[in-house]
Amino acid sequence: DAGVIQSPRHEVTEMGQEVTLRCKPISGHDYLFWYRQTMMRGLELLIYFNNNVPIDDSGMPEDRFSAKMPNASFSTLKIQPSEPRDSAVYFCASSPSGAGSPLHFGNGTRLTVT
Amino acid sequence: GEDVEQSLFLSVREGDSSVINCTYTDSSSTYLYWYKQEPGAGLQLLTYIFSNMDMKQDQRLTVLLNKKDKHLSLRIADTQTGDSAIYFCAENLRRALTFGSGTRLQVQP
Repeated sequence: DAGVIQSPRHEVTEMGQEVTLRCKPISGHDYLFWYRQTMMRGLELLIYFNNNVPIDDSGMPEDRFSAKMPNASFSTLKIQPSEPRDSAVYFCASSPSGAGSPLHFGNGTRLTVT
Repeated sequence: GEDVEQSLFLSVREGDSSVINCTYTDSSSTYLYWYKQEPGAGLQLLTYIFSNMDMKQDQRLTVLLNKKDKHLSLRIADTQTGDSAIYFCAENLRRALTFGSGTRLQVQP
């Protein structure tokens, strides 16, 4: 099992540009989560999906952020336009169904917006 | 609120035991988790405990849960330099997890 795969590992972009982060969950996992990690705010849940359907997007900071899950094996998190305050490490995680099933995390995408 | 609190830093000597503490806010959490994060990596699940348990042991790791005080701890026996990392506790109020701020464990040789 390859685990949760995220790409790219690092992204450096200029303010105002569009950024797309990608995630491939573990096969067979029904839930997919996007988190953001910063020194100031720690780990924040942005959005999560169940069977490709967004369930809770209350953590998405603003309309500049959007997430999609077109199929069970792929999800994207898009920021348009990006701002310096979006600089953070973005993690994708997946989990199977079942009460208490733990989350399995990817290695993250480190985003720097200059 | 949904605050999970941890102390920020712990330093121990190699071979000693480490105890990392966490308090959570909602007694309806059914599972509580410990994750480890090494530099440049994602969060790795260490162990988790169901809320009707008081203790869980897994090799060098011991988790203690005090539901009355909403207190969770992780004890690492015979701490090694490879245990140096940030440790996060988390609760599942909903399907997603709410994480604490993390405790940085430094193991001195």
